[in-house]
Amino acid sequence: QKEVEQDPGPLSVPEGAIVSLNCTYSNSAFQYFMWYRQYSRKGPELLMYTYSSGNKEDGRFTAQVDKSSKYISLFIRDSQPSDSATYLCALIKAAGNKLTFGGGTRVLVKP
Amino acid sequence: DADVTQTPRNRITKTGKRIMLECSQTKGHDRMYWYRQDPGLGLRLIYYSFDVKDINKGEISDGYSVSRQAQAKFSLSLESAIPNQTALYFCATSGSDRDETQYFGPGTRLLVL
Repeated sequence: QKEVEQDPGPLSVPEGAIVSLNCTYSNSAFQYFMWYRQYSRKGPELLMYTYSSGNKEDGRFTAQVDKSSKYISLFIRDSQPSDSATYLCALIKAAGNKLTFGGGTRVLVKP
Repeated sequence: DADVTQTPRNRITKTGKRIMLECSQTKGHDRMYWYRQDPGLGLRLIYYSFDVKDINKGEISDGYSVSRQAQAKFSLSLESAIPNQTALYFCATSGSDRDETQYFGPGTRLLVL
């Protein structure tokens, strides 16, 4: 069983819809949670970073962490075609430790 | 100019050949990483280095070796390439314990025939 599970998609939504992405993990040692966005033929880039349960908002993006359920989510409001990309969750067990990535979810936002 | 660069961007090679992928960074970071990406498997860590004298194996280091020539340079070698090493390879850097953000290069697409 993988330590971090993520639905590969693709997830296809119309422009303006809310995109909902999630990852589940099995090890309660994970303390830090990130979302990376990867455009086709590009390297991943950090989108959101949180280390506590609850919500964190940044513009159209909201990251949600539920440590008790070992479940993290990313919501994209008012989605745009430019949001079409692969979204990867990445988890860390302790400061300075290595990232463990989910498999990524491909998102397509149709005009 | 990009902060993290990788060369080559694309490479086709044959089984048994030795190949080197290079990574350079201008971010002044001490920590550097090599990952491979396969469809549905996300990014898996091959090797990482926290400074010039520090090299560590990641989760899938078999068949790979690395060299940290300087703070800014970290190379990945496949001593004898095999077809299941066909993948997208990424180099990344990070600054310190206080900033877990990793900055990725554009990737090298490798095909082993």
